[in-house]
Amino acid sequence: GAVVSQHPSWVICKSGTSVKIECRSLDFQATTMFWYRQFPKQSLMLMATSNEGSKATYEQGVEKDKFLINHASLTLSTLTVTSAHPEDSSFYICSATGGAVNTEAFFGQGTRLTVV
Amino acid sequence: GIQVEQSPPDLILQEGANSTLRCNFSDSVNNLQWFHQNPWGQLINLFYIPSGTKQNGRLSATTVATERYSLLYISSSQTTDSGVYFCAVERAGNQFYFGTGTSLTVIP
Repeated sequence: GAVVSQHPSWVICKSGTSVKIECRSLDFQATTMFWYRQFPKQSLMLMATSNEGSKATYEQGVEKDKFLINHASLTLSTLTVTSAHPEDSSFYICSATGGAVNTEAFFGQGTRLTVV
Repeated sequence: GIQVEQSPPDLILQEGANSTLRCNFSDSVNNLQWFHQNPWGQLINLFYIPSGTKQNGRLSATTVATERYSLLYISSSQTTDSGVYFCAVERAGNQFYFGTGTSLTVIP
């Protein structure tokens, strides 16, 4: 299957700082990438849809000014958690597709963010 | 939005036992995938199965789209099967919505 790489795997940051998470499609061009968040012992919740060359689409209740998404190329999307607070501590995971409809989604290995 | 419910929420098995995990969804979907989330959080693709039946080794899955459910069968379970199993459904735009998960523990 296709490979999606996420970096970093884990990060600890101080409250008030910003953290950038990268999601790369290694062997295919991803016109669309998705960002999910998972709190401990819960399911994954879709945060936003990232389209190459255009603004991201955010799910209801997700603050677009706090979670900045950039999809500047067909192989890279970034999620920046701005002015992080302890309640932003979570597991963030991205997925990517090649853009065709009805295709299998592949996920990155996830990033565990801890804000202290 | 679409509701995706999985059952059971927790399952403990003796090594070698068989099990069936269920995923119910509230509306028609284009796609359905089953994942195994390992202890480090990584999602492992198990099946891409919008309809029909597929088998891969000790695992198999069946989706009956008209009745809005999917089943994941695990046979001869092993301790390495432990983890959380998610189904995820896609309605449009390749956006997937995840189920509530089944936490499986296989004991030796």
